[in-house]
Amino acid sequence: EAGVAQSPRYKIIEKRQSVAFWCNPISGHATLYWYQQILGQGPKLLIQFQNNGVVDDSQLPKDRFSAERLKGVDSTLKIQPAKLEDSAVYLCASSPFTHEQFFGPGTRLTVL
Amino acid sequence: SQQGEEDPQALSIQEGENATMNCSYKTSINNLQWYRQNSGRGLVHLILIRSNEREKHSGRLRVTLDTSKKSSSLLITASRAADTASYFCATDANDYKLSFGAGTTVTVRA
Repeated sequence: EAGVAQSPRYKIIEKRQSVAFWCNPISGHATLYWYQQILGQGPKLLIQFQNNGVVDDSQLPKDRFSAERLKGVDSTLKIQPAKLEDSAVYLCASSPFTHEQFFGPGTRLTVL
Repeated sequence: SQQGEEDPQALSIQEGENATMNCSYKTSINNLQWYRQNSGRGLVHLILIRSNEREKHSGRLRVTLDTSKKSSSLLITASRAADTASYFCATDANDYKLSFGAGTTVTVRA
């Protein structure tokens, strides 16, 4: 079974630029999550989708972050414009509506 | 905000020794999970313990849960170099959302 795919793996941008991350969850997994992991910290949930609907986006900085889940499968997370403090690893996870989550390898974002 | 707090922040042990790390949390949970993260990679689920369970085993892993103290521990027995990683506890209040601690970094020396 293929795991959660994410791209790109690494991205370096200047502050105020825009960036987008892509996630393809495990086939059949209804729930998809985006996390932000700052160096030295644990992952922090940004948004949770159930199929193509948003369940929780209370921790998503909506003035600059947006996310969508296309047809209940792939998802994109966008930052526009980026700030220095957005430097982090962005992790995507999916779940077949069990309590266990399956994580992708993450995208490491550096904002200069 | 992060619900769990791991202790210690870092741990260095010799291959073959046991490693123990602890997790404390603040609010009621449905289950508590432990994940491993190797450097530069995503998280891998290790074990889930439900709030009505006190102890669970999986291979060389042993997890305990004390809901009265709001704490959990993860024991890795007979450690190997491949166990070098960061370990995170994550709590689930039965809403299928995980709240992670800051993690314990374990280094296993050959």
